[in-house]
Amino acid sequence: GENVEQHPSTLSVQEGDSAVIKCTYSDSASNYFPWYKQELGKRPQLIIDIRSNVGEKKDQRIAVTLNKTAKHFSLHITETQPEDSAVYFCAHDGGTSYGKLTFGQGTILTVHP
Amino acid sequence: DAGVIQSPRHEVTEMGQEVTLRCKPISGHDYLFWYRQTMMRGLELLIYFNNNVPIDDSGMPEDRFSAKMPNASFSTLKIQPSEPRDSAVYFCASLPLAAEAFFGQGTRLTVV
Repeated sequence: GENVEQHPSTLSVQEGDSAVIKCTYSDSASNYFPWYKQELGKRPQLIIDIRSNVGEKKDQRIAVTLNKTAKHFSLHITETQPEDSAVYFCAHDGGTSYGKLTFGQGTILTVHP
Repeated sequence: DAGVIQSPRHEVTEMGQEVTLRCKPISGHDYLFWYRQTMMRGLELLIYFNNNVPIDDSGMPEDRFSAKMPNASFSTLKIQPSEPRDSAVYFCASLPLAAEAFFGQGTRLTVV
């Protein structure tokens, strides 16, 4: 019940285009859905998160949508820039309400200038 | 606060040797997590503590791995004996209840 499927595994876009990464989970008890960005050789860092009581959250060029019925959530990055290039991980908490996170396998995003 | 601090940043050791990884969580955070990251398996949760007490160690791969948290400001992950397949980046993360997890810089372990 804790698995999370993340797609695509790699994503290549031109600067200025939008990027969308999707995750599907199976645990209906999950309430917390963060997205982490990891640059090469660095730690994962939270970029945006959403809790189950809302369907969408936006922070400048980044947005996350959540469909609890269908058990999927997505990361949307608009007006991509080369510095957005990194590995992005989705995660969910399996209903634990704290940081016992199960991570997706990651998406390697490359933004070409 | 300097964030979650891990040491060493890099460790190269020979197969069979004991390896100890260290973590200092952010002060006031109740939870501490140890993750392992590899290309093949991604980010895996190994063990986590709540108020210094181990809660779930089901992710620890085998008996060669052990973790302790003797106080609120220090945790160790020990591998004895180490094997080449243990090579990975090991992250420690801490958080207060129901908030984001802050990761340390990680320890890159290479077992030769």
